[in-house]
Amino acid sequence: QKEVEQNSGPLSVPEGAIASLNCTYSDRGSQSFFWYRQYSGKSPELIMSIYSNGDKEDGRFTAQLNKASQYVSLLIRDSQPSDSATYLCAVPPRGAGSYQLTFGKGTKLSVIP
Amino acid sequence: ETGVTQSPTHLIKTRGQQVTLRCSSQSGHNTVSWYQQALGQGPQFIFQYYREEENGRGNFPPRFSGLQFPNYSSELNVNALELDDSALYLCASSFLNTEAFFGQGTRLTVV
Repeated sequence: QKEVEQNSGPLSVPEGAIASLNCTYSDRGSQSFFWYRQYSGKSPELIMSIYSNGDKEDGRFTAQLNKASQYVSLLIRDSQPSDSATYLCAVPPRGAGSYQLTFGKGTKLSVIP
Repeated sequence: ETGVTQSPTHLIKTRGQQVTLRCSSQSGHNTVSWYQQALGQGPQFIFQYYREEENGRGNFPPRFSGLQFPNYSSELNVNALELDDSALYLCASSFLNTEAFFGQGTRLTVV
């Protein structure tokens, strides 16, 4: 059984701080990694994808991937109250496409004004 | 907002009944997948359709079935509903192995 693990939180950070969200995965052969944001009662929204070791930046978001450690993280700089949501890490198994995602349980982030 | 649309948005069914959920994929996308999300959990992969055929299935019983149509829209059917089937059902579309985008979901309540 391929697993994706996340701390469920809640993670509370003050407005303007950096929020750091972490995810580990068990399938060493996985090649692509996704972060989704889910507001309460809404569906997941893709915010970042990363395929290569290292960092990928998009606005206030940075995804970091370390395949050797089977670890992917999401940093949110200058956190805003509107960033308060559950963040889901998703990893397709080796050989599967982005359509067959294994999700973690999600980390609930609260940004305190 | 993605171009993936699902209907209905909310549904209440009685245990033992059957339900059909519908999904229209985003323009240009040919792959549709379905997920079940129980409260407080991450989405669980049910199955995926490509070229009108099931092409990948998660750990769900056969009473969960689906269809994909020539226009790439899709249906999820669940027979003999159980109380534990109460969940948010999500449809995601993608073009082959590119990023998947979710619809707004259907909230199913089984009583």
